[in-house]
Amino acid sequence: NAGVTQTPKFRILKIGQSMTLQCTQDMNHNYMYWYRQDPGMGLKLIYYSVGAGITDKGEVPNGYNVSRSTTEDFPLRLELAAPSQTSVYFCATRDTVNQPQHFGDGTRLSIL
Amino acid sequence: LAKTTQPISMDSYEGQEVNITCSHNNIATNDYITWYQQFPSQGPRFIIQGYKTKVTNEVASLFIPADRKSSTLSLPRVSLSDTAVYYCLVATDTGRRALTFGSGTRLQVQP
Repeated sequence: NAGVTQTPKFRILKIGQSMTLQCTQDMNHNYMYWYRQDPGMGLKLIYYSVGAGITDKGEVPNGYNVSRSTTEDFPLRLELAAPSQTSVYFCATRDTVNQPQHFGDGTRLSIL
Repeated sequence: LAKTTQPISMDSYEGQEVNITCSHNNIATNDYITWYQQFPSQGPRFIIQGYKTKVTNEVASLFIPADRKSSTLSLPRVSLSDTAVYYCLVATDTGRRALTFGSGTRLQVQP
Protein backbone atom coordinates (compact mmCIF):
# COMPACT_ATOMS: atom_id res chain seq x y z
CA ASN A 1 0.00 0.00 0.00
CA ALA A 2 1.94 3.04 -1.28
CA GLY A 3 -0.42 5.76 0.00
CA VAL A 4 0.32 9.08 -1.73
CA THR A 5 3.09 9.03 -4.34
CA GLN A 6 4.60 12.21 -5.75
CA THR A 7 6.95 12.41 -8.70
CA PRO A 8 9.50 13.71 -9.34
CA LYS A 9 11.19 14.24 -5.95
CA PHE A 10 13.44 17.01 -7.28
CA ARG A 11 13.41 19.16 -10.37
CA ILE A 12 15.22 22.22 -11.66
CA LEU A 13 13.45 24.31 -14.29
CA LYS A 14 14.44 27.32 -16.31
CA ILE A 15 12.22 30.40 -16.27
CA GLY A 16 9.40 30.01 -18.78
CA GLN A 17 9.51 26.23 -18.95
CA SER A 18 6.50 24.12 -18.11
CA MET A 19 6.13 20.90 -16.20
CA THR A 20 3.61 18.65 -14.49
CA LEU A 21 3.96 17.45 -10.93
CA GLN A 22 2.37 14.06 -10.52
CA CYS A 23 0.35 12.85 -7.55
CA THR A 24 -1.14 9.36 -7.35
CA GLN A 25 -2.99 7.71 -4.50
CA ASP A 26 -4.10 4.13 -3.97
CA MET A 27 -6.46 4.70 -1.03
CA ASN A 28 -9.55 5.52 -3.12
CA HIS A 29 -9.90 8.88 -1.37
CA ASN A 30 -12.22 11.42 -2.93
CA TYR A 31 -10.51 14.53 -1.59
CA MET A 32 -7.13 15.58 -2.93
CA TYR A 33 -5.06 18.73 -2.32
CA TRP A 34 -1.99 20.52 -3.60
CA TYR A 35 0.03 22.70 -1.24
CA ARG A 36 3.23 24.66 -1.58
CA GLN A 37 5.62 25.30 1.26
CA ASP A 38 8.22 28.03 1.03
CA PRO A 39 11.33 27.84 3.26
CA GLY A 40 10.48 28.30 6.94
CA MET A 41 6.82 28.86 6.20
CA GLY A 42 3.57 26.97 6.58
CA LEU A 43 1.66 25.23 3.81
CA LYS A 44 -0.50 27.19 1.42
CA LEU A 45 -3.31 25.52 -0.51
CA ILE A 46 -3.03 25.85 -4.29
CA TYR A 47 -5.91 23.74 -5.61
CA TYR A 48 -8.11 20.98 -4.32
CA SER A 49 -10.58 18.41 -5.61
CA VAL A 50 -13.57 16.79 -3.94
CA GLY A 51 -13.84 14.05 -6.54
CA ALA A 52 -13.11 13.08 -10.12
CA GLY A 53 -14.03 15.89 -12.49
CA ILE A 54 -14.32 18.52 -9.74
CA THR A 55 -11.57 20.98 -8.87
CA ASP A 56 -11.48 24.30 -7.08
CA LYS A 57 -9.01 27.07 -6.30
CA GLY A 58 -7.29 27.38 -2.98
CA GLU A 59 -5.43 30.29 -1.48
CA VAL A 60 -2.65 30.69 -4.10
CA PRO A 61 -3.82 29.28 -7.48
CA ASN A 62 -2.22 31.81 -9.84
CA GLY A 63 0.32 30.25 -12.21
CA TYR A 64 -0.98 26.71 -11.72
CA ASN A 65 -3.59 24.41 -13.23
CA VAL A 66 -4.97 21.06 -12.18
CA SER A 67 -7.16 18.30 -13.54
CA ARG A 68 -8.84 15.31 -11.93
CA SER A 69 -9.90 12.81 -14.56
CA THR A 70 -9.62 9.80 -12.22
CA THR A 71 -9.93 9.23 -8.48
CA GLU A 72 -6.27 8.17 -8.29
CA ASP A 73 -4.49 11.03 -10.06
CA PHE A 74 -4.33 14.76 -9.40
CA PRO A 75 -1.57 16.37 -11.50
CA LEU A 76 -0.45 19.97 -10.96
CA ARG A 77 0.66 21.89 -14.03
CA LEU A 78 3.01 24.88 -14.15
CA GLU A 79 2.70 26.53 -17.57
CA LEU A 80 5.31 29.30 -17.43
CA ALA A 81 7.68 28.69 -14.56
CA ALA A 82 8.71 31.75 -12.56
CA PRO A 83 11.32 32.10 -9.78
CA SER A 84 8.50 32.82 -7.31
CA GLN A 85 7.30 29.24 -7.82
CA THR A 86 10.48 27.82 -6.30
CA SER A 87 9.10 25.82 -3.40
CA VAL A 88 8.34 22.35 -2.04
CA TYR A 89 5.04 21.01 -3.30
CA PHE A 90 2.98 18.56 -1.29
CA CYS A 91 0.02 16.52 -2.40
CA ALA A 92 -2.47 15.27 0.18
CA THR A 93 -5.61 13.16 0.25
CA ARG A 94 -8.34 12.36 2.72
CA ASP A 95 -11.20 9.91 2.81
CA THR A 96 -14.01 12.10 4.12
CA VAL A 97 -14.18 15.73 5.13
CA ASN A 98 -13.61 15.09 8.83
CA GLN A 99 -10.75 12.65 8.43
CA PRO A 100 -7.10 13.77 8.61
CA GLN A 101 -5.08 14.30 5.46
CA HIS A 102 -2.40 11.93 4.22
CA PHE A 103 0.59 13.67 2.66
CA GLY A 104 3.11 12.60 0.07
CA ASP A 105 6.84 13.16 0.50
CA GLY A 106 6.85 16.28 -1.65
CA THR A 107 8.48 17.58 -4.81
CA ARG A 108 11.29 20.09 -4.39
CA LEU A 109 11.19 22.49 -7.33
CA SER A 110 13.77 25.13 -8.16
CA ILE A 111 13.30 27.63 -10.96
CA LEU A 112 16.39 29.44 -12.14
CA LEU B 1 -11.47 31.14 6.52
CA ALA B 2 -10.70 30.00 10.05
CA LYS B 3 -7.29 31.53 10.73
CA THR B 4 -5.04 29.94 13.35
CA THR B 5 -2.37 31.52 15.52
CA GLN B 6 0.39 29.55 17.25
CA PRO B 7 3.67 30.45 18.97
CA ILE B 8 6.50 30.57 16.49
CA SER B 9 8.84 28.41 18.55
CA MET B 10 9.19 26.55 21.84
CA ASP B 11 12.08 24.90 23.64
CA SER B 12 11.94 21.95 26.00
CA TYR B 13 14.08 19.23 27.54
CA GLU B 14 13.78 15.51 27.22
CA GLY B 15 11.24 13.99 29.57
CA GLN B 16 9.20 17.16 30.00
CA GLU B 17 5.57 17.65 29.02
CA VAL B 18 5.06 20.18 26.23
CA ASN B 19 1.85 22.11 25.65
CA ILE B 20 1.33 24.01 22.39
CA THR B 21 -1.71 26.27 22.18
CA CYS B 22 -3.45 27.28 18.96
CA SER B 23 -5.91 30.15 18.74
CA HIS B 24 -8.77 29.90 16.22
CA ASN B 25 -11.30 32.60 17.05
CA ASN B 26 -13.31 32.21 13.82
CA ILE B 27 -13.87 28.47 14.07
CA ALA B 28 -17.19 27.41 12.57
CA THR B 29 -19.73 25.22 14.32
CA ASN B 30 -18.91 22.09 12.33
CA ASP B 31 -15.12 22.54 12.08
CA TYR B 32 -12.76 19.94 13.49
CA ILE B 33 -9.31 20.73 14.91
CA THR B 34 -6.41 18.68 13.62
CA TRP B 35 -2.73 18.73 14.56
CA TYR B 36 0.12 17.65 12.33
CA GLN B 37 3.84 17.10 12.87
CA GLN B 38 6.41 17.85 10.19
CA PHE B 39 10.07 16.85 10.07
CA PRO B 40 12.50 18.50 7.63
CA SER B 41 12.13 17.28 4.04
CA GLN B 42 8.97 15.33 4.84
CA GLY B 43 5.25 15.89 4.44
CA PRO B 44 3.14 16.65 7.53
CA ARG B 45 2.05 13.66 9.55
CA PHE B 46 -1.26 13.41 11.44
CA ILE B 47 -1.01 13.47 15.24
CA ILE B 48 -4.48 13.98 16.67
CA GLN B 49 -7.91 15.40 15.87
CA GLY B 50 -10.82 16.56 17.98
CA TYR B 51 -14.07 18.51 18.04
CA LYS B 52 -14.60 19.36 21.71
CA THR B 53 -13.42 18.55 25.25
CA LYS B 54 -10.48 16.15 25.37
CA VAL B 55 -9.07 13.56 23.01
CA THR B 56 -6.17 11.24 23.79
CA ASN B 57 -4.26 8.76 21.69
CA GLU B 58 -0.99 6.90 22.09
CA VAL B 59 1.19 9.91 21.28
CA ALA B 60 -0.66 13.05 22.43
CA SER B 61 -3.67 14.67 24.05
CA LEU B 62 -5.80 17.47 22.68
CA PHE B 63 -7.67 19.82 24.98
CA ILE B 64 -10.49 21.97 23.56
CA PRO B 65 -12.40 24.40 25.83
CA ALA B 66 -16.14 24.83 25.61
CA ASP B 67 -15.99 27.93 23.39
CA ARG B 68 -13.63 26.08 20.97
CA LYS B 69 -11.74 29.28 20.21
CA SER B 70 -8.46 27.63 21.10
CA SER B 71 -6.95 24.19 21.50
CA THR B 72 -3.88 22.80 23.24
CA LEU B 73 -1.74 19.94 22.00
CA SER B 74 -0.05 18.14 24.88
CA LEU B 75 2.99 15.94 24.27
CA PRO B 76 3.88 13.88 27.36
CA ARG B 77 7.55 13.25 28.14
CA VAL B 78 9.08 14.52 24.91
CA SER B 79 12.22 13.03 23.44
CA LEU B 80 14.79 14.37 20.97
CA SER B 81 12.81 12.78 18.14
CA ASP B 82 9.87 15.08 18.89
CA THR B 83 11.89 18.03 17.56
CA ALA B 84 9.74 19.15 14.64
CA VAL B 85 7.25 21.75 13.47
CA TYR B 86 3.69 21.33 14.74
CA TYR B 87 0.72 22.69 12.82
CA CYS B 88 -2.81 23.31 13.98
CA LEU B 89 -5.44 23.09 11.24
CA VAL B 90 -9.11 23.90 11.44
CA ALA B 91 -10.93 21.67 8.99
CA THR B 92 -14.29 22.16 7.38
CA ASP B 93 -17.03 19.59 7.32
CA THR B 94 -17.90 20.13 3.66
CA GLY B 95 -14.50 19.79 2.01
CA ARG B 96 -15.17 22.74 -0.24
CA ARG B 97 -13.72 25.46 1.92
CA ALA B 98 -10.01 26.06 1.54
CA LEU B 99 -7.88 24.60 4.31
CA THR B 100 -5.52 27.01 6.00
CA PHE B 101 -2.32 25.97 7.71
CA GLY B 102 -0.76 28.50 10.04
CA SER B 103 2.98 29.04 10.26
CA GLY B 104 3.34 26.29 12.82
CA THR B 105 5.30 26.00 16.06
CA ARG B 106 8.92 24.90 15.86
CA LEU B 107 9.61 22.69 18.89
CA GLN B 108 13.24 22.12 19.85
CA VAL B 109 13.88 19.39 22.41
CA GLN B 110 17.24 19.51 24.15
CA PRO B 111 18.98 16.60 25.91
